[in-house]
Amino acid sequence: DTAVSQTPKYLVTQMGNDKSIKCEQNLGHDTMYWYKQDSKKFLKIMFSYNNKELIINETVPNRFSPKSPDKAHLNLHINSLELGDSAVYFCASSQDLNSHTDTQYFGPGTRLTVL
Amino acid sequence: AQSVTQLGSHVSVSEGALVLLRCNYSSSVPPYLFWYVQYPNQGLQLLLKYTSAATLVKGINGFEAEFKKSETSFHLTKPSAHMSDAAEYFCAVSDRSGGGADGLTFGKGTHLIIQP
Repeated sequence: DTAVSQTPKYLVTQMGNDKSIKCEQNLGHDTMYWYKQDSKKFLKIMFSYNNKELIINETVPNRFSPKSPDKAHLNLHINSLELGDSAVYFCASSQDLNSHTDTQYFGPGTRLTVL
Repeated sequence: AQSVTQLGSHVSVSEGALVLLRCNYSSSVPPYLFWYVQYPNQGLQLLLKYTSAATLVKGINGFEAEFKKSETSFHLTKPSAHMSDAAEYFCAVSDRSGGGADGLTFGKGTHLIIQP
């Protein structure tokens, strides 16, 4: 059983389009995250959610809008895609908002290519 | 603000040799530290983490890391490299001053190459 799943795995689209990436975790965790990994493999936190509420937005352009319909899902919608949005996007989850030691479990990633 | 520096974007070792991947952190408060591994085209998997219980931490696949406060380091080692260890390794820090949902701050990663 996959703990953190993301769809799609690959996404190729044109500049200016709007796209969504879905994430689901079946671990019963309270906190979920989106990370962006650029072409140089550098990973950076984008958002974190706890029980459907936004906790952190790390100066991400407002073209990126996360949506959490329930605590098991955190979807990422991107408007007006730009070339610089090409990256691998990882969803992750952890048990507890207030615990710094909780392991974060990562999804397999979604490789977004903007042409 | 915390940060992590991984020395060496690429490390190459022979199969059976010692693996040493370096990580230094900067944090205004005692940190929690993590090592994650990323195999090609996969997500990240936790290798081990330091949570102040013990300075020498043992992880999966024979890896271990030692927290050295005086050196602000958390280097990852494995006595004998295996071909299957070839992957990207990330050191990460979680700053205790914020909430857990601040997420992790990652280093830039070290690509480990195993020579047969």
